[in-house]
Amino acid sequence: QQQVKQSPQSLIVQKGGISIINCAYENTAFDYFPWYQQFPGKGPALLIAIRPDVSEKKEGRFTISFNKSAKQFSLHIMDSQPGDSATYFCAASSVRGDMRFGAGTRLTVKP
Amino acid sequence: KAGVTQTPRYLIKTRGQQVTLSCSPISGHRSVSWYQQTPGQGLQFLFEYFSETQRNKGNFPGRFSGRQFSNSRSEMNVSTLELGDSALYLCASSLMTGKDEQFFGPGTRLTVL
Repeated sequence: QQQVKQSPQSLIVQKGGISIINCAYENTAFDYFPWYQQFPGKGPALLIAIRPDVSEKKEGRFTISFNKSAKQFSLHIMDSQPGDSATYFCAASSVRGDMRFGAGTRLTVKP
Repeated sequence: KAGVTQTPRYLIKTRGQQVTLSCSPISGHRSVSWYQQTPGQGLQFLFEYFSETQRNKGNFPGRFSGRQFSNSRSEMNVSTLELGDSALYLCASSLMTGKDEQFFGPGTRLTVL
């Protein structure tokens, strides 16, 4: 069963634009929400993560917005660059440590 | 600090065979998690090991098993391979628990013919 739903499946953005990827979860026991970036032929790499005690976290051009009541969180990539073209996964885990991933979003940033 | 290493990187097997994949975590990391990645199902959690004990298990059949050694290195085994087992198998290590920041290896690409 898919415990974390991610959208859109693919996204095309112009260079300099804002990329927005959304995720929703079901399990209220989840309390750690990371985002991973994966390039072809590589394993996923942690981009940014948030815990439910804050509603927003920003690191450089990457921002996570978190809405605990709606059980949703999103990744915003400001000033998107061609080098950001990759597949992005949201994930969630509980204190048990069993990480559940969204289906992934393939982002293409056009120059 | 060396990253997570996985061996072999590529593997071709036939149906009915078994396979063992290896993962060496980052030095000092005690938790190792395994994932299966396929185009259709995405990234799916297989299991997590900590201090040689399986702490969590995903929804996979018993043909999938694993173990962790005292040096935190981990192996996963798939017996009686099926065509649907073709996937990228990823290992991730973290300091203490699977909830801590996970560092992924490059994966082992398994093809079952």
